[in-house]
Amino acid sequence: GESVGLHLPTLSVQEGDNSIINCAYSNSASDYFIWYKQESGKGPQFIIDIRSNMDKRQGQRVTVLLNKTVKHLSLQIAATQPGDSAVYFCAENISGGSYIPTFGRGTSLIVHP
Amino acid sequence: GAGVSQSPRYKVAKRGQDVALRCDPISGHVSLFWYQQALGQGPEFLTYFQNEAQLDKSGLPSDRFFAERPEGSVSTLKIQRTQQEDSAVYLCASRDPANYGYTFGSGTRLTVV
Repeated sequence: GESVGLHLPTLSVQEGDNSIINCAYSNSASDYFIWYKQESGKGPQFIIDIRSNMDKRQGQRVTVLLNKTVKHLSLQIAATQPGDSAVYFCAENISGGSYIPTFGRGTSLIVHP
Repeated sequence: GAGVSQSPRYKVAKRGQDVALRCDPISGHVSLFWYQQALGQGPEFLTYFQNEAQLDKSGLPSDRFFAERPEGSVSTLKIQRTQQEDSAVYLCASRDPANYGYTFGSGTRLTVV
């Protein structure tokens, strides 16, 4: 289930389940979006990106969906594994700018074996 | 090296002390970014360099924060007269000019006591 923790929203799933992590972005001028995974004590690690001229992009076990109408991104992780446990951030980049990623709040994913 | 290297990994400073945090980007990455990440929050943009030029410093929280990249490679983030609210993880990222891929370092965790 999904709950709001002290600082971060948390999603708890069982190993093997599919996970969906949601993100609302703020700027309608944003045209490039990145999902990052951050494990404890490490910097954010690139997972997958998508440009605004697409509404879906697939990677290995991950899919990103973009809905520009409601300014919403989601990250779907198939067959979630314990190693997927981390905090996930979406970041938006604004068209015409220096492509400086602006990070969202983050969601903590906990995968139970 | 293959990744972005930051040092020190941990820094404890007494309130009022000056600190200097170092970032060694990936060789050939002309763009370099500094972010501040408070506990339980997403990274917040501080400043951005392209080669040695500091193109955006809009995220620096006060004039106690200063960043430089004099030769267009290694960058130093300096915080003068540290305050408790400066306690955070400071992340550095560099960007591949060929594909906008960002690579983050593991960060420096600064604790001001």
